[in-house]
Amino acid sequence: SQQGEEDPQALSIQEGENATMNCSYKTSINNLQWYRQNSGRGLVHLILIRSNEREKHSGRLRVTLDTSKKSSSLLITASRAADTASYFCATDPSQGGSEKLVFGKGTKLTVNP
Amino acid sequence: DAGITQSPRHKVTETGTPVTLRCHQTENHRYMYWYRQDPGHGLRLIHYSYGVKDTDKGEVSDGYSVSRSKTEDFLLTLESATSSQTSVYFCAISDPLKNGYTFGSGTRLTVV
Repeated sequence: SQQGEEDPQALSIQEGENATMNCSYKTSINNLQWYRQNSGRGLVHLILIRSNEREKHSGRLRVTLDTSKKSSSLLITASRAADTASYFCATDPSQGGSEKLVFGKGTKLTVNP
Repeated sequence: DAGITQSPRHKVTETGTPVTLRCHQTENHRYMYWYRQDPGHGLRLIHYSYGVKDTDKGEVSDGYSVSRSKTEDFLLTLESATSSQTSVYFCAISDPLKNGYTFGSGTRLTVV
């Protein structure tokens, strides 16, 4: 069963705008991760946020985590056409670190030039 | 991706035939995983390994078996392929001391 559910399923914006994607999950987590997948390619790890962290930044990416609401958001600022991809959240649901991620179904982001 | 390769990249096979997909890593990572990706389902874990000869089932393991006789290789076998196993298969590796998974480029399998 899916642990994480991304919202929206699809998002279309203009270059330069910000893109926000949300992820909700069901059980306690050790950490939450975001991945990007370009069409026809494997997933690429973007950022990891641990359960005791609330916000994390990496370049144009900002991730927040609210464990009380069991939700996370990924913000991409000043988007570019090259950001067009599918974005997945993934949760490590075990406190023991079994390293067994559960992925959501993804948000398909289209950035129009 | 650097350090992890999947083979073959594409395969078409007939229903009822055995199929083996290979994942090879040069990172010496302990953990290796097989996922399948289907429209509307995202990625689902088939099997994973936490060391040589140590494997366990994932969410959708029925019809699949795996083997890991060496740290660098993780094989996924479909003993008797069915049309429902048409999918894109991804291998991934991870190191508990580092962040995140590294994925291979995927194998597109079509069962006709």
